[in-house]
Amino acid sequence: DAKTTQPPSMDCAEGRAANLPCNHSTISGNEYVYWYRQIHSQGPQYIIHGLKNNETNEMASLIITEDRKSSTLILPHATLRDTAVYYCIVRPYNDMRFGAGTRLTVKP
Amino acid sequence: EAQVTQNPRYLITVTGKKLTVTCSQNMNHEYMSWYRQDPGLGLRQIYYSMNVEVTDKGDVPEGYKVSRKEKRNFPLILESPSPNQTSLYFCASSPLAGEPERTYEQYFGPGTRLTVT
Repeated sequence: DAKTTQPPSMDCAEGRAANLPCNHSTISGNEYVYWYRQIHSQGPQYIIHGLKNNETNEMASLIITEDRKSSTLILPHATLRDTAVYYCIVRPYNDMRFGAGTRLTVKP
Repeated sequence: EAQVTQNPRYLITVTGKKLTVTCSQNMNHEYMSWYRQDPGLGLRQIYYSMNVEVTDKGDVPEGYKVSRKEKRNFPLILESPSPNQTSLYFCASSPLAGEPERTYEQYFGPGTRLTVT
């Protein structure tokens, strides 16, 4: 299993882009990069996932480096409601293993 | 509305008294899973199921049982709860990728906060 490394915490100003990094240097060819977030003690919420190419949806963008050893989740215009723990997970198929994640605090 | 529901949401019980936490999804998903979340330990998978009558152990299965008799339901059973099973529990479901190149996101329930005294 590819392990991930994320900073434990980050701050971001409201309205600015939040860029959350994730290192996954041991990722293998069939492993996807997933991002989830958990607001307070609610159930984790899926954000985005990708394999090789950059991805964008209504919530965020995912930038994966060409060697696939790291990725960045971008929230283009962070709001106070984006304050949460963000998890980067690298797994094949459906089996998810959550690490400690990054606690993002969006400040007014 | 597509959702995963769990019941009860909160439960306080005593050591040794059998309990069941129900999980149900209305999205016709093949894959279902149970996690527990503890401070400093993150989310850890207890059991998962790839389809009806197919279940498998996750990372922390000791003290838990599950069953998958119907596609929509995946109850978590604690036959003899102990205080170390005090935790926040999440059920999740997703479609099952039929091909290695495809994968799907998991949908999580709202959580069940269990306290065993």
